[in-house]
Amino acid sequence: AQSVTQLGSHVSVSEGALVLLRCNYSSSVPPYLFWYVQYPNQGLQLLLKYTSAATLVKGINGFEAEFKKSETSFHLTKPSAHMSDAAEYFCAVSEDQGAQKLVFGQGTRLTINP
Amino acid sequence: DAGITQSPRHKVTETGTPVTLRCHQTENHRYMYWYRQDPGHGLRLIHYSYGVKDTDKGEVSDGYSVSRSKTEDFLLTLESATSSQTSVYFCAARESAEQYFGPGTRLTVT
Repeated sequence: AQSVTQLGSHVSVSEGALVLLRCNYSSSVPPYLFWYVQYPNQGLQLLLKYTSAATLVKGINGFEAEFKKSETSFHLTKPSAHMSDAAEYFCAVSEDQGAQKLVFGQGTRLTINP
Repeated sequence: DAGITQSPRHKVTETGTPVTLRCHQTENHRYMYWYRQDPGHGLRLIHYSYGVKDTDKGEVSDGYSVSRSKTEDFLLTLESATSSQTSVYFCAARESAEQYFGPGTRLTVT
């Protein structure tokens, strides 16, 4: 069965610092991987997705993630944090691009310190 | 944006009562999903639909049923609400690679 583990339920960085949110997955087949962001009292918005093309994926708002099969990881990074990046971030995996039944990690709350 | 709305946005109900949550989309997307969000669990799939009258179970389907009689509407029903179903419920819709999420319904079962 597929699963996702996000290391660190809370991450705090200073404005302008590197953002690194960790995601490891388990899947019996080549996975489809996603990062979503949730701002307070809102639904989720897709940041980026990996669907077996390039291993380095660029998303919105300056975020990117690298698929590493050998490490079963899909970590999310942004070179320079902005106050507006404060939100909760979810990594998700799907083994089936047809139905796309997503399995989510527990989420990482990102805080940006001025 | 798939123009997804959810109703009601907030609801408080008593244990044992039936509850129906509605998800409405305006973009004619084929797939629709219901998730619940709980602290420490992220989002978990309850049920999904791959077309009118075509539905299937997700990870946490016990105690929930769904119906989709029109492309644009996907209903989630709690036949007899329990306190463990207190949660925030999100609907999503998809045509290709991206799921678009609604704003959520906060349900409290007392």
